[in-house]
Amino acid sequence: DAGITQSPRHKVTETGTPVTLRCHQTENHRYMYWYRQDPGHGLRLIHYSYGVKDTDKGEVSDGYSVSRSKTEDFLLTLESATSSQTSVYFCAISQDFSTDTQYFGPGTRLTVL
Amino acid sequence: AQTVTQSQPEMSVQEAETVTLSCTYDTSESDYYLFWYKQPPSRQMILVIRQEAYKQQNATENRFSVNFQKAAKSFSLKISDSQLGDAAMYFCAYDSGGSNYKLTFGKGTLLTVNP
Repeated sequence: DAGITQSPRHKVTETGTPVTLRCHQTENHRYMYWYRQDPGHGLRLIHYSYGVKDTDKGEVSDGYSVSRSKTEDFLLTLESATSSQTSVYFCAISQDFSTDTQYFGPGTRLTVL
Repeated sequence: AQTVTQSQPEMSVQEAETVTLSCTYDTSESDYYLFWYKQPPSRQMILVIRQEAYKQQNATENRFSVNFQKAAKSFSLKISDSQLGDAAMYFCAYDSGGSNYKLTFGKGTLLTVNP
C-alpha cells in the first residue's frame, strides 16, 4: 500500500469555524490531490498540487484553499466551514501527472453542524 | 466535458460466480486512461485495474479483467470466482492524460456478494 495518511480521520465542527485537513505521504510522489465524496456524485476534485508551492483548482474549489510547503504534506483548509462541506475527503498521490495511477489515502469524514 | 456513466447503481452475485459491471464514457480524445477502483466499507479507495486506451489488449489482474471497447466507449469490469471480500462500491474513472488534468469518476456500482 502507498504510504498515505490523513488526519484527522473524523471531525465534527460548527458552521463558520476554520478547518484544516492534512495529507501526509512517504512515497516522495510529486503530485497530490484533494477530493470530496458525496452520495450521488462520486469523487470530485477540489485542488491538486504539482510540486512544492505549486497548486491549482479542481472542479469544486470554491470555499477551499490548499498549501504545500513540503513534498510530503498537502493541507486542505476550509476558511469558514459550511454545512454543504459536510463530506468525506480523500487525498491521493501520483508519481507522474495525469498518466499515472493515483493512490488514495484512508479518507477523512467531516461533519459541519 | 468528459462524463463517465455507470448505469447499474447496484449489482449482486453469488459467491464463486462471475459478474460484470458496466461503464461507458464520453470523450473526443484518442488517447486516455481508464481505471476501476474498489471502495470497501472501510472507505479506502483501492485501485483494481488500469487500461491504457492505445493498448488493444484488455487488462487483466488475477480474477479481475476488463472488456475495453474503444469504438463503443465502453469499459466493463468482469469479476470471476466472486469472493465475499469483493463486496464493495466500484468506481469507474477516466483520465484524459496530457497537460489538462481531468480525472472523472462515475457515481459507482454497489456490489453485493451472496454466500
